[in-house]
Amino acid sequence: QKEVEQNSGPLSVPEGAIASLNCTYSDRGSQSFFWYRQYSGKSPELIMSIYSNGDKEDGRFTAQLNKASQYVSLLIRDSQPSDSATYLCAVRVISNFGNEKLTFGTGTRLTIIP
Amino acid sequence: DADVTQTPRNRITKTGKRIMLECSQTKGHDRMYWYRQDPGLGLRLIYYSFDVKDINKGEISDGYSVSRQAQAKFSLSLESAIPNQTALYFCATSEELAGVSDTQYFGPGTRLTVL
Repeated sequence: QKEVEQNSGPLSVPEGAIASLNCTYSDRGSQSFFWYRQYSGKSPELIMSIYSNGDKEDGRFTAQLNKASQYVSLLIRDSQPSDSATYLCAVRVISNFGNEKLTFGTGTRLTIIP
Repeated sequence: DADVTQTPRNRITKTGKRIMLECSQTKGHDRMYWYRQDPGLGLRLIYYSFDVKDINKGEISDGYSVSRQAQAKFSLSLESAIPNQTALYFCATSEELAGVSDTQYFGPGTRLTVL
């Protein structure tokens, strides 16, 4: 089982609709969760971070975390063509010894259809 | 000016050559990282450094070495490049916040091709 799993897509969503991206993780000790957006050939850029169960909203983006079910999701409302990109989920674990590990999923490619 | 810069941006080299990729940052962050990205494999950590005197191996350090010349500079070397090191390489930086790393900020990447 991969430590962080995402559906590779492509996920196609009509412009103006809600895009829903999902990520599951295997380590129950995971404490921090991040969503990065990566345009083709460019570097990842942080969209959202979430640390506790529930929803966190920032503009058109909402991150949802459910630690009991070990999943984190990203909702994009009113999808725009400029949202077309690959979205990377990243999960951080901090061990009892203070070592930390950030693991990235392979990403979901999102295409917004005008 | 970009906060995290990488040089070169593109490099084509031959098997067996020594290659150095350089990363500089003006963000004032102590922590720096080198990743490679391959299609279908995502971002994988090669090496990381939490300060100038601290160097740690990541999950795929074989065939690579690093040097932290200053707080702002972190270089990645391929001592003898091989074709399966062809990939997109990213440098990243982060602050320390309450003893752990804060958000990572990525450089623009270096596309390396080993023939």
